[in-house]
Amino acid sequence: DGGITQSPKYLFRKEGQNVTLSCEQNLNHDAMYWYRQDPGQGLRLIYYSQIVNDFQKGDIAEGYSVSREKKESFPLTVTSAQKNPTAFYLCASRGREHNQPQHFGDGTRLSIL
Amino acid sequence: GENVEQHPSTLSVQEGDSAVIKCTYSDSASNYFPWYKQELGKRPQLIIDIRSNVGEKKDQRIAVTLNKTAKHFSLHITETQPEDSAVYFCAASEAPYTGTASKLTFGTGTRLQVTL
Repeated sequence: DGGITQSPKYLFRKEGQNVTLSCEQNLNHDAMYWYRQDPGQGLRLIYYSQIVNDFQKGDIAEGYSVSREKKESFPLTVTSAQKNPTAFYLCASRGREHNQPQHFGDGTRLSIL
Repeated sequence: GENVEQHPSTLSVQEGDSAVIKCTYSDSASNYFPWYKQELGKRPQLIIDIRSNVGEKKDQRIAVTLNKTAKHFSLHITETQPEDSAVYFCAASEAPYTGTASKLTFGTGTRLQVTL
């Protein structure tokens, strides 16, 4: 899945600070997704976007925001309202064709200083 | 919405034995069920998937079975090897999984340990 690039690999956030995680794909995929992964838990959906300039909340959107200004980019901002941001964040994308699987990036590990 | 339960949470098998991981789902309209393997600190990678119009699919040592009536699906790994050690996640689609207007609901994962 070399076509999905997440950066940075590690990120540290200070109290009260907003931080932005980058996700870029060169697979020409329409749909993009952000997941949060905590130890011993599955992947929980934060936000997803089916098309440029449109996105929907997932199961745990509170304290997060996204934008989709370009097809290849879907950045995630972890705001100061997210009180427990320490987690592994995974971005995924998927093509339009019927029943195409989601492909994941390498993830960003976010920690609080 | 969809709810996916996965069992067991941990599984230890000896090299060469088989491993079975089971998942149940709640939405009878779900029609796509992928399985992902995740090694420590790495991205989940798709290992096999199945659509609701088939009951079983095989790929070398890996197979997935689907029982739509009971709403459960299982991952079978035969002749396990140490490199199979990882966390495995099942998922089910929010129906209908067509175009891009859908999302996956994941199980909580199974940590598989293959011992020598």
